[in-house]
Amino acid sequence: EVQLVESGGGLVQPGGSLRLSCAASGFTLSNYWMHWVRQAPGKGLVWVSRINSDGSSRNYADSVKGRFTISRDSAKNTLYLQMNSLRVEDTAVYYCARMQVTSFDFWGQGTLVTVSS
Amino acid sequence: QSALTQPASVSGSPGQSVTISCTGTSSDIGAYDFVSWYQHHPGKDPKVMIYDVSKRPSGLANRFSGSKSGNTASLTISGLQADDEAEYYCCSYAGRNTWVFGGGTKVTVL
Repeated sequence: EVQLVESGGGLVQPGGSLRLSCAASGFTLSNYWMHWVRQAPGKGLVWVSRINSDGSSRNYADSVKGRFTISRDSAKNTLYLQMNSLRVEDTAVYYCARMQVTSFDFWGQGTLVTVSS
Repeated sequence: QSALTQPASVSGSPGQSVTISCTGTSSDIGAYDFVSWYQHHPGKDPKVMIYDVSKRPSGLANRFSGSKSGNTASLTISGLQADDEAEYYCCSYAGRNTWVFGGGTKVTVL
């Protein structure tokens, strides 16, 4: 059974850092493009970042470019999102999602990141 | 990377049909046939309902259908059921390995 389990969320002060993890089971992470998508409280889904199957290509939304880094550990079958210089507006539930060709076919349950002083 | 435009809410009675529009630009919806739709119940993870504009994942009820014209995509739910009440999001490939979602539409079954 395919499962994605996020962790690492929490409360952090503005300017701080946090690393999110997304542990995959039931499939090999390195065979798929993987993404992070976030949802601020009361708001809609927003695409954040993507990494391709061999990790050679990474892309980011303009709002997080230069501050967030997506990466993957094939041995651990885990996806990461390193978030630096966090802002209040980064407060959201962060989901990892698997891309099957052109759509997101499996999602994690999300992890909440709160940026506040 | 502006969000796609969706109506905030639509509603219908059981058995009726509702259509949700999703308007983008010539750089996203208008440029690619990679529009997908997601159903999101509170507290659950999103579920893909339509991909590549009009394709349904295997096992999904054919009550859900998708289409596209120009820069606007649409999701139609026929034979509305109570369990269809949820938030629905459209998503489009926007080029250069980036994606963009709509703001979401709350579907209410009256």
